[in-house]
Amino acid sequence: QSALTQPASVSGSPGQSITISCTGTSSDVGGYNYVAWYQQHAGKAPKLMIYDVSSRPSGVSNRFSGSKSGNTASLTISGLQAEDESDYYCSSYTSSSTVIFGGGTKLTVL
Amino acid sequence: QLQLQESGPRLVKPSETLSLTCTVSGGSTSSTSYYWGWIRQPPGKGLEWIGTIYYSGSTFYNPSLRSRLTISIDTSKNQFSLRLTSVTAADTAVYYCARDLGSGIPGDAFDFWGQGTMVTVSS
Repeated sequence: QSALTQPASVSGSPGQSITISCTGTSSDVGGYNYVAWYQQHAGKAPKLMIYDVSSRPSGVSNRFSGSKSGNTASLTISGLQAEDESDYYCSSYTSSSTVIFGGGTKLTVL
Repeated sequence: QLQLQESGPRLVKPSETLSLTCTVSGGSTSSTSYYWGWIRQPPGKGLEWIGTIYYSGSTFYNPSLRSRLTISIDTSKNQFSLRLTSVTAADTAVYYCARDLGSGIPGDAFDFWGQGTMVTVSS
């Protein structure tokens, strides 16, 4: 199974909004509402930020939001803060009852 | 608060078997609500799903690893384990165990993660 496609890097200034895309196929992202997003700071375990396309776990800032259109899911971070600088990964359930991750996106806060 | 902790050898020789155990505290692996998974991350690279197991022993594996992989669960010890045979340098990675929200399917989202353990394959 091929990884979901994410941009290698995105950047934004404090206070701005950024969006990270995650493109798959009708067998994964497009076929199910089981898309998740993770934040991973260097040397740390990933942290769940969004699940089921647009749901936020308890304790995650409402500056983080998720959406999906067709085979592409998106993570939007509004009111960008320095602490948001991190790697972000998407994942999706697939028609083969497996999980597939995206290649990861490095977010730089300018 | 749910906690997961990986344990096992940090160094494995090529062609040998990598074995890791994840011990769960603050929750139960016999819960019917959740699945339990393994994810790895080679140095400087992205996340790769290895596989997931349910309390009943039902398993779901990454097709690229299936021929070498066994994931098992011991609910009496509140642990689940990973066994990967015939390892090569390409299996060098940080290995994480995690809880899957489940929601009725073995691939929703991983909401609690262990700290990860670095396993190096080298002679």
